[in-house]
Amino acid sequence: DAGVIQSPRHEVTEMGQEVTLRCKPISGHDYLFWYRQTMMRGLELLIYFNNNVPIDDSGMPEDRFSAKMPNASFSTLKIQPSEPRDSAVYFCASSARGGGNQPQHFGDGTRLSIL
Amino acid sequence: GEDVEQSLFLSVREGDSSVINCTYTDSSSTYLYWYKQEPGAGLQLLTYIFSNMDMKQDQRLTVLLNKKDKHLSLRIADTQTGDSAIYFCAEKSAGRRALTFGSGTRLQVQP
Repeated sequence: DAGVIQSPRHEVTEMGQEVTLRCKPISGHDYLFWYRQTMMRGLELLIYFNNNVPIDDSGMPEDRFSAKMPNASFSTLKIQPSEPRDSAVYFCASSARGGGNQPQHFGDGTRLSIL
Repeated sequence: GEDVEQSLFLSVREGDSSVINCTYTDSSSTYLYWYKQEPGAGLQLLTYIFSNMDMKQDQRLTVLLNKKDKHLSLRIADTQTGDSAIYFCAEKSAGRRALTFGSGTRLQVQP
């Protein structure tokens, strides 16, 4: 059974450029989460979706960040324009409907470097 | 808001037991989780415990929960070099879908 799939695995780009990160959740999962991991701040929740609808985006740093989930099998996180402080590992996770006994499953992440 | 704290580093010898500790502040926590992260990889779910339990065992892993003290621990028996990784504690509060993660404990296993 395929896990959460993220692409690209690595992205290096210059500041000011648009960056798009992609995620395919586990089939049948109703919830999708985007996290950012840095040395300074650890793992931070950016946004999560339920049935393709954004539920909580309070963790999105600023208007430069946007996330979409056009269908149940695909989500994007976009940064425009990108800045060096956006450099981090971005994780996508998904979970099934239900309570806490439906834990989140993580992808391998996208390592983003903004020069 | 909710807070989850872990010590940053633990070093053990191969074959010994490892105990990784975690404390949390949210009294409405319903589930607590342990994730493992190896270099360059995502977080792998190891185990989780419901808040009305005080212990859960899964092969080499034992989770102990002291709800009164809001303290969670993960014991790894017969620690192997392949167990070297960062271990994250996370909690889920009632009514919230998102998890709150600790900063992670780096486990180093010496041969």
